[in-house]
Amino acid sequence: AQSVTQLGSHVSVSEGALVLLRCNYSSSVPPYLFWYVQYPNQGLQLLLKYTTGATLVKGINGFEAEFKKSETSFHLTKPSAHMSDAAEYFCAVKPSSGGSNYKLKFGKGTLLTVNP
Amino acid sequence: DSGVTQTPKHLITATGQRVTLRCSPRSGDLSVYWYQQSLDQGLQFLIQYYNGEERAKGNILERFSAQQFPDLHSELNLSSLELGDSALYFCASSSLTGENEKLFFGSGTQLSVL
Repeated sequence: AQSVTQLGSHVSVSEGALVLLRCNYSSSVPPYLFWYVQYPNQGLQLLLKYTTGATLVKGINGFEAEFKKSETSFHLTKPSAHMSDAAEYFCAVKPSSGGSNYKLKFGKGTLLTVNP
Repeated sequence: DSGVTQTPKHLITATGQRVTLRCSPRSGDLSVYWYQQSLDQGLQFLIQYYNGEERAKGNILERFSAQQFPDLHSELNLSSLELGDSALYFCASSSLTGENEKLFFGSGTQLSVL
């Protein structure tokens, strides 16, 4: 079984500051890991994903995440926050052993606020 | 724009009523997923259809049902509505399978049960 815990339901940063959104997962098999972003009044969009290979994954809009198996973590970072980054961010996990996205488990989300 | 269209955007109804939510997937996508997003439960998978056939079921109540039509659009039917059914309902579609499968989400239908 898979599950995801996002630490902090709300994170507030200043424009230009580092963004760090935390995600820890639990999985009985090697996982595939995802970060999605939800802007106001929109559906979720894929930011980045880790499947196999390089553990540092780069996504859209300058975001990246690092898969750390020993820490069961997949934290999302961005060196310098933009006002346009204000949104809700969801971490998700599914087993790498195959299967459709119906096995995707989402965290409860972290709302990112960017202050001018 | 994800290419996935959901209607209506907002729906207000009373307890005990029945509603139908509609989803048109991206052109060519055979898979449709339905999710429920609420403050306490987060984003929960309800059901998946692939090319008209039910593929997987998640936390979907017996009062809820769905179908996918030959033109690939899908409908989610919610009946005997309760206050706790108030939530944002998302539809997502995908075309590829396996490792490269990617979900495209619609902007959701906000259901308010009063």
